[in-house]
Amino acid sequence: DQQVKQNSPSLSVQEGRISILNCDYTNSMFDYFLWYKKYPAEGPTFLISISSIKDKNEDGRFTVFLNKSAKHLSLHIVPSQPGDSAVYFCAASAGDKIIFGKGTRLHILP
Amino acid sequence: DTAVSQTPKYLVTQMGNDKSIKCEQNLGHDTMYWYKQDSKKFLKIMFSYNNKELIINETVPNRFSPKSPDKAHLNLHINSLELGDSAVYFCASSHIGQGRTNEKLFFGSGTQLSVL
Repeated sequence: DQQVKQNSPSLSVQEGRISILNCDYTNSMFDYFLWYKKYPAEGPTFLISISSIKDKNEDGRFTVFLNKSAKHLSLHIVPSQPGDSAVYFCAASAGDKIIFGKGTRLHILP
Repeated sequence: DTAVSQTPKYLVTQMGNDKSIKCEQNLGHDTMYWYKQDSKKFLKIMFSYNNKELIINETVPNRFSPKSPDKAHLNLHINSLELGDSAVYFCASSHIGQGRTNEKLFFGSGTQLSVL
């Protein structure tokens, strides 16, 4: 039962262009959403989050958009840089648990 | 100085053995977690402790027993290891108290467990 879905296992983007990573969720009780970034052989690190009372949160090159009616959120990275190549996990919380998606591997092409 | 450190990084063992993974955090956080990333790549929560008290215990076999001697440590002991236990196990910590998980998690680098 996948409550948080990242349907694209991988994504390739040219350096300097915009990367858009998508995430869908099924549980309308989720009220907080997070994105984590993971490099090989390391643990995930927090990137950006958004509360369900907002529809956009921006932090430097990273922007997260939330569409509650569609139960969809997306992470925009612009401009994309080589160091952005990693696996990105979408996560959602309702109460005392955080539920993670399977991740999307982002490749930034030179 | 590693914020959340777990050992060992790699663990290869035979079926039926008992093994432990240790985790320590120096962030002063109240809550610690164990997550499992299986072959399908989902990160699934197994346990969480708040100030040494068990808060979350997901549907995990009894062979898995977490132990928190103090709020900076959360170890995971696994009895009678099975092939299906092969996965990457991540320890994490956060600032939250009981009941609210909208604070970011700080993860360790993971322990790759391979059961042969």
